[in-house]
Amino acid sequence: SAVISQKPSRDICQRGTSLTIQCQVDSQVTMMFWYRQQPGQSLTLIATANQGSEATYESGFVIDKFPISRPNLTFSTLTVSNMSPEDSSIYLCSVREGEIGYTFGSGTRLTVV
Amino acid sequence: AQKITQTQPGMFVQEKEAVTLDCTYDTSDQSYGLFWYKQPSSGEMIFLIYQGSYDEQNATEGRYSLNFQKARKSANLVISASQLGDSAMYFCAMREGRDDKIIFGKGTRLHILP
Repeated sequence: SAVISQKPSRDICQRGTSLTIQCQVDSQVTMMFWYRQQPGQSLTLIATANQGSEATYESGFVIDKFPISRPNLTFSTLTVSNMSPEDSSIYLCSVREGEIGYTFGSGTRLTVV
Repeated sequence: AQKITQTQPGMFVQEKEAVTLDCTYDTSDQSYGLFWYKQPSSGEMIFLIYQGSYDEQNATEGRYSLNFQKARKSANLVISASQLGDSAMYFCAMREGRDDKIIFGKGTRLHILP
């Protein structure tokens, strides 16, 4: 299965600033996903990112707040913009390989102060 | 309405006992897939088992089995002979129809007692 490198692993940021999270995959994948996991909660899908097209956002998430780039088949970034303490979460990228192969990155633990 | 329902926020089980984690789902698609993931305190997401809606037999992977009751829209995870290392969050998830994304239930925190 694919190996995902997600950076940074954790960060503490000031409110009002932005953080860009990177997701690097060791193989070419069509489908990449970004999830948010708030403290003690489940994973909520933010958006689906396909190479060469605009990301598709889920209800409650907007591009201005969570812009996503997908420049090629092995890389994607998620930016958390104009952060507030409510954005403190773990952010995970995920890729799909085949019918049942969904692999997750190790996550970025974000704290906004 | 929730697509995936896990009604057990937390469970305590004695080591070596079997444990069943409940999951019900809601979909109108005939084709769908059901997943179980384990998330230990380290935060990584570990894939455990998959059941396709057309699979006639219940999926099994080592100590994990999935009790799939299609008419009841139920996909319970059974862990046999539980171990201390099984203590973690467990998430049930579903992919519907031609969707590529998977959505998660709220999870069950399992505590294995020595």
